[in-house]
Amino acid sequence: DADVTQTPRNRITKTGKRIMLECSQTKGHDRMYWYRQDPGLGLRLIYYSFDVKDINKGEISDGYSVSRQAQAKFSLSLESAIPNQTALYFCATSGTTLDTQYFGPGTRLTVL
Amino acid sequence: GQNIDQPTEMTATEGAIVQINCTYQTSGFNGLFWYQQHAGEAPTFLSYNVLDGLEEKGRFSSFLSRSKGYSYLLLKELQMKDSASYLCAVYSSNTGKLIFGQGTTLQVKP
Repeated sequence: DADVTQTPRNRITKTGKRIMLECSQTKGHDRMYWYRQDPGLGLRLIYYSFDVKDINKGEISDGYSVSRQAQAKFSLSLESAIPNQTALYFCATSGTTLDTQYFGPGTRLTVL
Repeated sequence: GQNIDQPTEMTATEGAIVQINCTYQTSGFNGLFWYQQHAGEAPTFLSYNVLDGLEEKGRFSSFLSRSKGYSYLLLKELQMKDSASYLCAVYSSNTGKLIFGQGTTLQVKP
């Protein structure tokens, strides 16, 4: 079984809709991250959380919000989706900041 | 500021050796990671360097020079399955975050 899972794996939605992407992990890690990946731009950090009570903005947090429901769950929401949020979204976890980050399989989101 | 540079694309022949370079500028450098990412899949960890020198792991080796802000990933005995993107990422203790380069897409040809 995968240590880091993401749901849904693919989603097509319309402009203005609210979307939630979910991430769960069984690695027992405290730190969780949300990234988006666009062609030619690499992975960019949206939000990160070092424990359940700690949420931090990354470099591109505008238009996104997150919720850390438990140590194992970290959700990303797009309050009102727009087309330039079309991207591949990855969740990742690590035991410490310097520890290797383990990535989920990704969610391909298309906003029409 | 922080900046990471990698070549966008590289091509090599099966069985050959290829070196993928990464240069970086960051404050509070505290380690460099290499990840492999096949198309449409998640990045997977390859190597971590925090001290100068070469780290060898099977067919893959990674080198770091902190004074030059430079790293490379060396892939030996290339196989077709090595066709993927290779991501260089630097951890900055000042920001507490891992910053990724754009990635180098490697195509291995028969």
